[in-house]
Amino acid sequence: DTAVSQTPKYLVTQMGNDKSIKCEQNLGHDTMYWYKQDSKKFLKIMFSYNNKELIINETVPNRFSPKSPDKAHLNLHINSLELGDSAVYFCASSRPAGGPYEQYFGPGTRLTVT
Amino acid sequence: AQKVTQAQTEISVVEKEDVTLDCVYETRDTTYYLFWYKQPPSGELVFLIRRNSFDEQNEISGRYSWNFQKSTSSFNFTITASQVVDSAVYFCALSENNDYKLSFGAGTTVTVRA
Repeated sequence: DTAVSQTPKYLVTQMGNDKSIKCEQNLGHDTMYWYKQDSKKFLKIMFSYNNKELIINETVPNRFSPKSPDKAHLNLHINSLELGDSAVYFCASSRPAGGPYEQYFGPGTRLTVT
Repeated sequence: AQKVTQAQTEISVVEKEDVTLDCVYETRDTTYYLFWYKQPPSGELVFLIRRNSFDEQNEISGRYSWNFQKSTSSFNFTITASQVVDSAVYFCALSENNDYKLSFGAGTTVTVRA
C-alpha cells in the first residue's frame, strides 16, 4: 500500500497554463507539506498544513495555492505557469505536534513548463 | 543563511569502501531535530534517521552509522562496506524547536562503483 501518493508523476505543460498536483496519504498523519526540488536538487519547503489549517507559507509566489479538503489530502494548484516553475514537487506527511517527526515523502511530480 | 551545510558535493568510492558524509548545522535553539534522507536515482526520498538534540548517542543500523556531536554541530553519516545500491543523493536536514519544516542541506551525491 502506498503511504503518500501523488498524481500525476509527470506533468508537461506550456507557459501560462494552470495546473494542479494532488497528494494523498493513508498514514493517518495530521500534517502535510509541499516541497520544491530544483534542478540542482535543492529541496525547499513551500507550504504545510496541520489538520487542514495552513501553518507554513514560505516565500512562494501567490500563483501557488495549496488546498486541503481533509487531513489526508493536500493539493497544489499553480496558476499562470512560468518556465522557472519547472521542478520536482514533493508532497510529505508527518505526525503532528509533540516534536518534529520524520516526514514521509511521496514519489514526486516532475513538472516541466515549456 | 544556510542552516545545514553538506560541504561534500560528490563522493565516488569503490564497492566495499567506507564512506562518511559530513553534515554541519546551525541553530540557536536548544531543542532541535536532525534527519538524514536518501534519494536514489529513482527519485523518491527515503527517511533514514531522526535524532533529537538531547540524544548524543551514536546510532548504528546495519551498515549505516551516525555520529552526532553537539560540540562541533555535526551529524555525520557513515556507510560501511558500501554497495552499488548505496549510490544516491543523501540529504541532511534540520528542524528547529516547534517548527514543522525541514531545512535541507544541498545534498551529497554518492557513487559506488563495482
